Amino acid sequence: DGGITQSPKYLFRKEGQNVTLSCEQNLNHDAMYWYRQDPGQGLRLIYYSQIVNDFQKGDIAEGYSVSREKKESFPLTVTSAQKNPTAFYLCASSLASGWGDEQFFGPGTRLTVL
Amino acid sequence: QQQVKQSPQSLIVQKGGISIINCAYENTAFDYFPWYQQFPGKGPALLIAIRPDVSEKKEGRFTISFNKSAKQFSLHIMDSQPGDSATYFCAPTGGYQKVTFGTGTKLQVIP
Repeated sequence: DGGITQSPKYLFRKEGQNVTLSCEQNLNHDAMYWYRQDPGQGLRLIYYSQIVNDFQKGDIAEGYSVSREKKESFPLTVTSAQKNPTAFYLCASSLASGWGDEQFFGPGTRLTVL
Repeated sequence: QQQVKQSPQSLIVQKGGISIINCAYENTAFDYFPWYQQFPGKGPALLIAIRPDVSEKKEGRFTISFNKSAKQFSLHIMDSQPGDSATYFCAPTGGYQKVTFGTGTKLQVIP
């Protein structure tokens, strides 16, 4: 089955710890994205990558970091600098490197800071 | 910053009724106008999308109406069913403009 996988589904973190969220796609898509969703709110763009070995900040990149070493993978690290990291994190991909195309979403990772 | 305004925030519709959700945008460079559907605890999925060369697109019970001059597009769900209960997001984008998601509309269809 083609699609996007995210792991883990649930993640608990102590304050001051860095954590890495995994995102893998086997759709052969060029572009990948990370979004944050807070309860009752829309999706906010954290980082995006339109090609391997390149990525750009989105609207709320502070306290987060990413890498894009392989086309299939786009991991997100939530650092201790992120003041309010508890949220639902969504990874997405799209075929085209531009913005005018359907985005395919993974099932999400729910991060809770204890 | 791009502005996308989605309304209403929440909507309760009787089974069999029509659900209407609206999205207003400011950026005239947008050329892709999708609606995404999200069930609780899941990632969103594309429901239906339209390009600006047509004013309406219908897929089953779902219709997008697009008004380019008013910079608005809407989602109409005909014969709404309890299984349509979800949160709906508009996310206009295109070209070199980063996507901006609307704040979402929580739809509840009651039997």
